[in-house]
Amino acid sequence: KAGVTQTPRYLIKTRGQQVTLSCSPISGHRSVSWYQQTPGQGLQFLFEYFSETQRNKGNFPGRFSGRQFSNSRSEMNVSTLELGDSALYLCASSRSTYEQYFGPGTRLTVT
Amino acid sequence: AQSVAQPEDQVNVAEGNPLTVKCTYSVSGNPYLFWYVQYPNRGLQFLLKYITGDNLVKGSYGFEAEFNKSQTSFHLKKPSALVSDSALYFCAVRDANTGNQFYFGTGTSLTVIP
Repeated sequence: KAGVTQTPRYLIKTRGQQVTLSCSPISGHRSVSWYQQTPGQGLQFLFEYFSETQRNKGNFPGRFSGRQFSNSRSEMNVSTLELGDSALYLCASSRSTYEQYFGPGTRLTVT
Repeated sequence: AQSVAQPEDQVNVAEGNPLTVKCTYSVSGNPYLFWYVQYPNRGLQFLLKYITGDNLVKGSYGFEAEFNKSQTSFHLKKPSALVSDSALYFCAVRDANTGNQFYFGTGTSLTVIP
Protein backbone atom coordinates (compact mmCIF):
# COMPACT_ATOMS: atom_id res chain seq x y z
CA LYS A 1 0.00 0.00 0.00
CA ALA A 2 1.43 3.38 -0.97
CA GLY A 3 2.29 5.74 1.87
CA VAL A 4 1.43 9.36 2.36
CA THR A 5 2.89 11.53 -0.38
CA GLN A 6 3.60 15.22 -0.22
CA THR A 7 4.49 17.60 -3.01
CA PRO A 8 6.66 19.44 -3.50
CA ARG A 9 9.43 18.16 -1.24
CA TYR A 10 11.34 21.42 -1.23
CA LEU A 11 10.20 24.95 -1.86
CA ILE A 12 11.86 28.36 -1.74
CA LYS A 13 9.66 31.44 -1.64
CA THR A 14 10.14 35.11 -0.86
CA ARG A 15 8.36 37.13 1.78
CA GLY A 16 4.87 38.21 0.80
CA GLN A 17 4.30 35.39 -1.63
CA GLN A 18 1.82 32.60 -1.12
CA VAL A 19 2.36 28.86 -1.31
CA THR A 20 0.23 25.75 -1.72
CA LEU A 21 1.33 22.36 -0.44
CA SER A 22 -0.30 19.10 -1.41
CA CYS A 23 -0.85 15.85 0.44
CA SER A 24 -2.20 12.53 -0.78
CA PRO A 25 -3.21 10.23 2.07
CA ILE A 26 -3.00 6.48 2.26
CA SER A 27 -5.85 4.87 0.36
CA GLY A 28 -8.87 4.47 2.60
CA HIS A 29 -7.76 7.11 5.10
CA ARG A 30 -10.29 9.89 5.42
CA SER A 31 -8.54 12.02 8.00
CA VAL A 32 -5.67 14.30 7.03
CA SER A 33 -3.77 16.46 9.49
CA TRP A 34 -1.12 19.10 8.92
CA TYR A 35 1.75 20.02 11.22
CA GLN A 36 4.50 22.61 11.22
CA GLN A 37 7.84 21.47 12.55
CA THR A 38 10.60 23.89 13.49
CA PRO A 39 13.70 23.36 15.64
CA GLY A 40 12.52 25.85 18.24
CA GLN A 41 8.81 25.03 18.46
CA GLY A 42 8.75 21.31 17.78
CA LEU A 43 5.68 19.82 16.14
CA GLN A 44 2.79 22.29 16.00
CA PHE A 45 -0.69 21.18 14.92
CA LEU A 46 -2.22 23.25 12.12
CA PHE A 47 -5.53 21.59 11.28
CA GLU A 48 -7.27 18.31 10.61
CA TYR A 49 -9.73 17.49 7.87
CA PHE A 50 -12.14 14.59 7.81
CA SER A 51 -14.47 13.92 4.90
CA GLU A 52 -13.85 17.40 3.44
CA THR A 53 -14.69 19.15 6.74
CA GLN A 54 -12.24 20.84 9.07
CA ARG A 55 -12.54 18.92 12.32
CA ASN A 56 -9.85 20.56 14.43
CA LYS A 57 -7.74 23.67 14.17
CA GLY A 58 -4.57 24.74 15.91
CA ASN A 59 -3.49 28.20 16.99
CA PHE A 60 -2.21 29.60 13.73
CA PRO A 61 -3.15 32.88 12.05
CA GLY A 62 -5.71 33.02 9.27
CA ARG A 63 -2.90 33.14 6.71
CA PHE A 64 -2.79 29.39 7.10
CA SER A 65 -5.69 27.59 5.49
CA GLY A 66 -6.48 24.20 4.10
CA ARG A 67 -9.01 22.12 2.35
CA GLN A 68 -9.77 18.52 1.57
CA PHE A 69 -11.18 17.12 -1.62
CA SER A 70 -13.67 14.32 -2.13
CA ASN A 71 -10.83 11.85 -2.81
CA SER A 72 -9.33 12.79 0.61
CA ARG A 73 -6.38 14.61 -0.93
CA SER A 74 -5.62 17.78 0.95
CA GLU A 75 -3.96 21.08 0.26
CA MET A 76 -2.56 23.65 2.63
CA ASN A 77 -2.12 27.28 1.69
CA VAL A 78 -0.06 29.95 3.34
CA SER A 79 -0.58 33.51 2.16
CA THR A 80 1.65 36.54 2.69
CA LEU A 81 4.63 34.45 3.68
CA GLU A 82 6.85 35.57 6.54
CA LEU A 83 10.41 34.53 7.35
CA GLY A 84 9.10 32.68 10.40
CA ASP A 85 7.05 30.40 8.18
CA SER A 86 10.21 28.57 7.15
CA ALA A 87 9.70 25.05 8.43
CA LEU A 88 9.09 21.43 7.60
CA TYR A 89 5.39 20.94 6.91
CA LEU A 90 4.18 17.46 7.63
CA CYS A 91 0.99 15.82 6.53
CA ALA A 92 -0.43 12.75 8.25
CA SER A 93 -3.36 10.52 7.43
CA SER A 94 -5.33 8.12 9.58
CA ARG A 95 -8.45 6.06 9.82
CA SER A 96 -10.65 7.61 12.50
CA THR A 97 -8.96 7.34 15.91
CA TYR A 98 -6.12 5.07 14.87
CA GLU A 99 -2.48 6.03 14.53
CA GLN A 100 -1.40 8.66 12.05
CA TYR A 101 0.95 7.93 9.19
CA PHE A 102 3.20 10.74 8.09
CA GLY A 103 4.48 11.82 4.75
CA PRO A 104 8.11 12.87 4.19
CA GLY A 105 7.24 16.54 4.53
CA THR A 106 7.70 19.68 2.48
CA ARG A 107 10.66 21.83 3.43
CA LEU A 108 9.63 25.46 2.95
CA THR A 109 12.26 28.17 3.01
CA VAL A 110 11.15 31.79 2.99
CA THR A 111 13.79 34.37 2.04
CA ALA B 1 -2.84 22.58 29.42
CA GLN B 2 -0.09 20.45 27.97
CA SER B 3 -1.40 16.98 27.13
CA VAL B 4 1.93 15.25 26.64
CA ALA B 5 5.27 15.86 28.30
CA GLN B 6 8.67 14.49 27.44
CA PRO B 7 10.87 15.66 30.29
CA GLU B 8 14.20 14.92 28.60
CA ASP B 9 15.36 16.81 25.55
CA GLN B 10 18.35 14.53 25.15
CA VAL B 11 19.11 10.96 26.17
CA ASN B 12 22.49 9.33 25.70
CA VAL B 13 23.01 5.60 26.08
CA ALA B 14 25.85 3.22 25.28
CA GLU B 15 25.31 0.66 22.53
CA GLY B 16 24.04 -2.60 23.98
CA ASN B 17 22.61 -0.98 27.11
CA PRO B 18 18.88 -0.72 27.76
CA LEU B 19 17.25 2.57 26.85
CA THR B 20 14.24 4.43 28.21
CA VAL B 21 12.60 7.52 26.76
CA LYS B 22 10.07 9.04 29.13
CA CYS B 23 6.57 10.33 28.42
CA THR B 24 3.73 11.44 30.64
CA TYR B 25 0.25 12.52 29.62
CA SER B 26 -2.57 14.51 31.16
CA VAL B 27 -5.76 13.81 29.21
CA SER B 28 -8.82 12.59 31.06
CA GLY B 29 -10.60 9.38 30.29
CA ASN B 30 -8.97 6.53 28.44
CA PRO B 31 -6.04 7.79 26.37
CA TYR B 32 -4.85 6.50 23.06
CA LEU B 33 -1.04 6.72 23.25
CA PHE B 34 1.56 6.52 20.51
CA TRP B 35 5.29 6.64 19.90
CA TYR B 36 6.91 7.89 16.73
CA VAL B 37 10.51 8.12 15.55
CA GLN B 38 11.98 10.70 13.19
CA TYR B 39 15.25 10.34 11.35
CA PRO B 40 16.97 13.44 9.91
CA ASN B 41 15.08 15.12 7.09
CA ARG B 42 12.33 12.52 7.22
CA GLY B 43 8.72 12.40 8.36
CA LEU B 44 7.66 10.65 11.53
CA GLN B 45 7.43 6.86 11.54
CA PHE B 46 4.90 5.04 13.71
CA LEU B 47 6.50 2.75 16.30
CA LEU B 48 3.72 1.50 18.54
CA LYS B 49 0.43 2.35 20.20
CA TYR B 50 -1.62 1.65 23.30
CA ILE B 51 -5.37 1.60 22.87
CA THR B 52 -6.55 -0.91 25.44
CA GLY B 53 -5.58 -4.26 26.92
CA ASP B 54 -2.12 -5.37 28.01
CA ASN B 55 -0.13 -2.53 29.53
CA LEU B 56 3.06 -3.66 27.81
CA VAL B 57 2.95 -2.91 24.13
CA LYS B 58 5.46 -4.23 21.63
CA GLY B 59 6.26 -2.35 18.45
CA SER B 60 8.65 -2.03 15.56
CA TYR B 61 12.45 -2.46 15.69
CA GLY B 62 12.38 -4.17 19.10
CA PHE B 63 10.83 -1.22 20.93
CA GLU B 64 8.19 -1.60 23.60
CA ALA B 65 6.31 0.75 25.87
CA GLU B 66 4.59 0.36 29.20
CA PHE B 67 1.31 2.09 29.95
CA ASN B 68 1.01 3.04 33.62
CA LYS B 69 -2.37 4.55 34.41
CA SER B 70 -1.60 5.49 38.01
CA GLN B 71 1.51 7.40 36.97
CA THR B 72 -0.04 8.60 33.68
CA SER B 73 3.10 7.49 31.89
CA PHE B 74 3.93 5.71 28.66
CA HIS B 75 7.69 5.25 28.62
CA LEU B 76 9.42 3.84 25.55
CA LYS B 77 11.96 1.08 26.16
CA LYS B 78 14.36 -1.20 24.37
CA PRO B 79 16.45 -3.91 26.05
CA SER B 80 19.59 -3.36 23.95
CA ALA B 81 20.24 -0.10 22.10
CA LEU B 82 21.71 0.05 18.62
CA VAL B 83 23.64 2.94 17.09
CA SER B 84 20.97 3.02 14.38
CA ASP B 85 18.36 3.84 17.05
CA SER B 86 19.81 7.33 17.27
CA ALA B 87 16.96 9.62 16.23
CA LEU B 88 14.28 11.97 17.51
CA TYR B 89 11.43 10.30 19.40
CA PHE B 90 7.96 11.74 19.87
CA CYS B 91 5.24 10.64 22.23
CA ALA B 92 1.65 11.47 21.23
CA VAL B 93 -1.86 11.14 22.63
CA ARG B 94 -5.29 11.23 21.02
CA ASP B 95 -7.67 13.23 23.18
CA ALA B 96 -11.32 12.22 22.79
CA ASN B 97 -12.31 15.41 24.66
CA THR B 98 -11.04 17.56 21.79
CA GLY B 99 -12.41 15.68 18.82
CA ASN B 100 -9.69 13.05 18.90
CA GLN B 101 -7.02 15.60 18.11
CA PHE B 102 -3.43 14.41 18.30
CA TYR B 103 -1.08 16.10 20.75
CA PHE B 104 2.65 15.56 20.40
CA GLY B 105 5.39 15.94 22.95
CA THR B 106 8.36 18.18 22.27
CA GLY B 107 10.53 15.25 21.30
CA THR B 108 13.56 13.52 22.83
CA SER B 109 16.79 13.22 20.92
CA LEU B 110 18.31 9.80 21.51
CA THR B 111 22.00 9.25 20.89
CA VAL B 112 23.41 5.74 21.11
CA ILE B 113 27.15 5.85 21.65
CA PRO B 114 29.22 3.09 20.02
